[in-house]
Amino acid sequence: EAEVAQSPRYKITEKSQAVAFWCDPISGHATLYWYRQILGQGPELLVQFQDESVVDDSQLPKDRFSAERLKGVDSTLKIQPAELGDSAMYLCASSLGRGHGNEQFFGPGTRLTVL
Amino acid sequence: GNSVTQMEGPVTLSEEAFLTINCTYTATGYPSLFWYVQYPGEGLQLLLKATKADDKGSNKGFEATYRKETTSFHLEKGSVQVSDSAVYFCALRTNTGNQFYFGTGTSLTVIP
Repeated sequence: EAEVAQSPRYKITEKSQAVAFWCDPISGHATLYWYRQILGQGPELLVQFQDESVVDDSQLPKDRFSAERLKGVDSTLKIQPAELGDSAMYLCASSLGRGHGNEQFFGPGTRLTVL
Repeated sequence: GNSVTQMEGPVTLSEEAFLTINCTYTATGYPSLFWYVQYPGEGLQLLLKATKADDKGSNKGFEATYRKETTSFHLEKGSVQVSDSAVYFCALRTNTGNQFYFGTGTSLTVIP
């Protein structure tokens, strides 16, 4: 069964360091999402790609976060510099794209701890 | 705007009890509605979905009916098991823009 892959699963870093997360969506899925999930809360959208283009990054803290999906397949989310408040689960999801009822498929997430 | 409001938890039930988790939504247009489940340390998994009014989504004994008149999509299960212990998220997908909005989640613990 096709799955969304993410790595690493866990990352511990010190504040002011740079971190990067990788996501490989399900093959053929045009839409890719990055979410941040703080413990006890629902996922909060950071950025949404349609193929290689960003369609929504309104909640992405652009002074320190960046995301790319250069070939419209896998994607990287970077934080530089990391801050204590960035500690959270970072979830990647993908969907086929436009089309009523298309659900998102989530990866296992990357748990980030900033010390 | 678009938003999802979920019943706050945590919810604790005895095995074989009846479960209801309330979810209401606000949306422009005609969204699709979803319930996702998240087990500790894992990503979200789709539990069920409904794409139009009066549709009933069902899976693993869970059900939810898309009620446009009350803008609700309540999750129900007739007899919960210990293995159902998890966090449940209600979500909507806009029919334009392919955007998803999630509720804050409801933690369910089922005790033997």
